[in-house]
Order: sequence, then structure tokens, then C-alpha cells
Amino acid sequence: EIVLTQSPGTLSLSPGERATLSCRASPSVGSSYLAWYQQKPGQAPRLLMYGASSRATGIPDRFSGSGSGTDFTLTISRLEPEDFAVYYCHQYGSSPLTFGGGTKVEIK
Amino acid sequence: QVQLVQSGAEVKKPGSSVKVSCKASGGTFSRYGLSWVRQAPGQGPEWMGGIIPIPGTANYAQKFQGRVTITMDENTITAYMELSSLRSEDTAVYYCARVAEVVPETLAGAFDIWGQGTMVTVSS
Repeated sequence: EIVLTQSPGTLSLSPGERATLSCRASPSVGSSYLAWYQQKPGQAPRLLMYGASSRATGIPDRFSGSGSGTDFTLTISRLEPEDFAVYYCHQYGSSPLTFGGGTKVEIK
Repeated sequence: QVQLVQSGAEVKKPGSSVKVSCKASGGTFSRYGLSWVRQAPGQGPEWMGGIIPIPGTANYAQKFQGRVTITMDENTITAYMELSSLRSEDTAVYYCARVAEVVPETLAGAFDIWGQGTMVTVSS
């Protein structure tokens, strides 16, 4: 089973700041089968990125993803008020599919 | 735009079974895979298993093997997840989620459309 470790657990930032979220995989994720989701309280997760660096339909370009193998990053270039939420990474190349523990981006 | 509409909340006794449905509104399943993901209160998502409609092959997480059954009815465009031998730890929100591009190794993929979730409470 691929274990995904997200850091930090909580990120306290102000609107307009840059957010950098990390996801480390052990063992490595094949073929960059890594996705990122945003989740707000009481809502289902929303797909942001897939294939490590491809934005899903309708996702603004302030969101970007990078990485391969064992180290992946989600970057939000300038935080908007609606971006404060929990973010999960997810690998889907190996069964069982697994999710990271999440990073909460909160308003400072 | 396809929407996934799930059945309503359930309260079950330990040892019983629950069957949750997921209906595609505004589209079909025929070109896509579908998975079930659950999320316990305050926890991250957990993948339970997935299915591809043709030929109706399912892949289950080992943790749930023997307790979960995922099926799909192409005629009614409805998918089902049945979980048996329920215990208190199964209390969670259960989501169905569509897979746009199926990875052959897992019969699943990134989840681009999610149902609204079904709360299942297991309590004596």
C-alpha cells in the first residue's frame, strides 16, 4: 500500500499569500497518478489536479501541481477567501487507492 | 453536466447490512468508472472499491474484501454499494465518485464528479 504523508498539517496564511502544500509518497507513485482535492465542511471533495500537474475542468490557474515519484507539491499562488479549506492528495495508480491525511489552510 | 445523486441517510444496527445507491442524472456510466469512498467524522477519505461498467468488473480494497459488493445497473444508470457485517467503525459519510480516465491497474482513477454523500450511522 502506498502511504501518502502530507505536510504541514495546518497552514495559517492571509489572503493574497502563496500556499505550498507537500505530499510525500512511500513507495513511489507510478506514472504520476497523483491527484489533489479541496474539501470544505459539509461538502464532497472537489478535484483540483490530476496526473500531478493537470488542472481539472474549471479550476483557476492560481492552482498548480508539480512533482513525480515520491514528492509532490500543490501551490496556490495567491490565496482567495474561498481557498481556505482542507486539501488532500490521492494516488490512484496502485491498489488500494490511498489518500493523504490532509492539510488545512486556515486564515491567519 | 452529469450529477450523481445518492440515497438518503441510514441508521443501522451492528451486524446488519446497508445498501447505498448512486444515480447518474444527465448522463450515463457507460464510458466511465465509478468508485465508492467513505469518510469517517474528522478523518480523510478512504477508498473502498471501484467498478467499470463494461464488463462490470469490480476491484475492492483488501480491507473491505468479503464485506463490500459494488454493482452497476446500466438500464437505470444506478450504482450500488452494499456493506455487510456493520460495526460502529463503519459510521461515516459514503460517497460515490466518477472516474473519467480509468487506470487499468486499479479500475479506478482521479474522481472528477462526486455524489452528495450518504451518512451511515451504525449504532445499537
